[in-house]
Amino acid sequence: SSELTQDPAVSVALGQTVRITCQGDSLRSYYASWYQQKPGQAPVLVIYDKSNRPSGIPDRFSGSSSGNTASLTITGAQAEDEADYYCNSRDRDSSGNHLNVFGTGTKVSVL
Amino acid sequence: QVQLQESGPGLVKPSETLSLTCTVSGGSISSYFWSWIRQPPGKGLEWIGFINYSGSTNYNPSLKSRVTISVDTSKNQFSLKLSSVIPGDTALYYCARGIKFGVVDYFDYWGQGILVTVSS
Repeated sequence: SSELTQDPAVSVALGQTVRITCQGDSLRSYYASWYQQKPGQAPVLVIYDKSNRPSGIPDRFSGSSSGNTASLTITGAQAEDEADYYCNSRDRDSSGNHLNVFGTGTKVSVL
Repeated sequence: QVQLQESGPGLVKPSETLSLTCTVSGGSISSYFWSWIRQPPGKGLEWIGFINYSGSTNYNPSLKSRVTISVDTSKNQFSLKLSSVIPGDTALYYCARGIKFGVVDYFDYWGQGILVTVSS
């Protein structure tokens, strides 16, 4: 199975834009989803089906994908967006069975 | 509103079997894919495996030899068993509801997580 690689940490000034990337072979075949995790809390889905937002997720969160890279963009970052972010996608094992894989995670700091 | 709640022992001895249950409320378990995901302290998320309502399972290859996930639709619960545990299995264990269609997978509801420590 493949891996999904993310930058360990990024920082963004309050109100500015930050892009978080996720790279992996599985992304050539499957769409990524993105999760926000704040300290002491369970992950929360913020983007699914490459670019869709669940109800209640602010529209400053957006997703995109090209080739083997998926991206999560926060436009106009707020203090409450400071968190760890994980990408995720389907994958297949050597027998063709569906698996699932998480990215390595990116810590976003809002300055 | 769908809610998931993990339950089980918080302490397991090395070489023994870790057993957890996830109770689903506010919706039927007889649909969707139901997953277990873990997170060692201070580290990232790791997918363990999933089961669907009919009992079909897929597991992370790195854990496959030690993992069993089962479902009890009559109780709206699904369960995880991880055998021959080692201290490296110490983690926060989450259950989550998975949705799959086309080329899309995602987890839309998560439990709050349960910390399981492997120690003698």
